[in-house]
Parts: sequence; C-alpha cells; structure tokens
Amino acid sequence: DVKVTQSSRYLVKRTGEKVFLECVQDMDHENMFWYRQDPGLGLRLIYFSYDVKMKEKGDIPEGYSVSREKKERFSLILESASTNQTSMYLCASSAVAGERETQYFGPGTRLLVL
Amino acid sequence: AQSVTQLDSQVPVFEEAPVELRCNYSSSVSVYLFWYVQYPNQGLQLLLKYLSGSTLVKGINGFEAEFNKSQTSFHLRKPSVHISDTAEYFCAVTPNYGGSQGNLIFGKGTKLSVKP
Repeated sequence: DVKVTQSSRYLVKRTGEKVFLECVQDMDHENMFWYRQDPGLGLRLIYFSYDVKMKEKGDIPEGYSVSREKKERFSLILESASTNQTSMYLCASSAVAGERETQYFGPGTRLLVL
Repeated sequence: AQSVTQLDSQVPVFEEAPVELRCNYSSSVSVYLFWYVQYPNQGLQLLLKYLSGSTLVKGINGFEAEFNKSQTSFHLRKPSVHISDTAEYFCAVTPNYGGSQGNLIFGKGTKLSVKP
C-alpha cells in the first residue's frame, strides 16, 4: 500500500512565523503535490514537483515555497505566515509509469495562523 | 484548460436510499476522471477512476460511476447508502496525453449527509 505521511495533523502558528510542512511518501513516486483545501473552494494546487530539486508553480503559489532535496520528501514553506493561510494542507504523490494518473493523499495538516 | 463542476454542494439522504452525486467537466482534450472521498478529518481516498474502456466504472464501498462523453458527465451513484457513507466527495479530471504531468483539477466537493 502507498503511504503518504504528513508531519503534523494540527498546527497553530503566529502571524509572521516561518512554517514548515513536511510530507514523506514510501512508494518511490516521482511526482509530489501540495494542495490547500478551503470550504466551498475544493482543492487548489499550490506547487508540484516531478523530480528531486525540480518544482513547478500551481494555481496559487503566492506566499509559499517548496523544497525537494530527496525523492521521498516534499516540504511546503510559509516564509511569513498570514491569517489568510489558515487552511487544510494536503500532500499527494503519484508515479510517472504504471498508475501514473492516480494520486495518493496524506491525512492532511490543519494549520491555524493567529 | 479543464474545469470541473459539482452541481450540488450538499446532498442529504436517508439511510438505505439511493444517491447520485453529479459531476460535469469541460476540456478540450481527452481526460481521465476520478472520484475521491474524504471522511471527516482525513485525507482523500480514491473511490474509482475512469481511464478507458467500459463507461460504467465500479469502485470501493459499492459506488459506481458512468462516463458520458456526449454530456461530459461522470456522475457517482450508490443504490443504497449507509450512515458510514457520510463524507465529502470530490470529482477530478486530468488530461490523458503523454506530456501531462498528471495534475488533477478538482470540483468544489459535495457533502453527502446520510440520516437514519
């Protein structure tokens, strides 16, 4: 079974803090994704990565950056957290061969910025 | 570009009744189609997917969906729901050409509420 884990289920931070959200997958997947989920808006793609040290902007990259130093780990960074970044953050991974079209999701991190 | 419309944001239904959650999409290229389910305080879990072949797709937990190319729809159905089906359901598409990196485009979700 594919397993995608996220470092925290719940996180409370203050405005202006630097925040790191970590995601690890154990299936040797090449692609990894970060989404944010807000009520009534569905999931929106923030960034994705198709290889180590590679990254591409998604639909809403402003205020975020990412890091992928190892294949299994994809980090989302909020350089200076703001209250409008309070949200649920979901990480996903997928392969580039075989079941390449299917994304597997982690349990999510619910971030509250005060 | 692709887009996905889930026509109902909330669907209340009684236990053991049938349910249909509606999904329409727009795309200038062929797509793969998915339904994901999210139980409270959890991540998304794949319910079923359409890649090619038979337009009727069966998934987990007794759900099925039918791809209708002419109506650009991929509605999700279950003949008899349980309380445990209470969750949010997301329809998603991704372009199925070789250069695609598999980015999913999601609908805004439908909250299914099953009442006893």
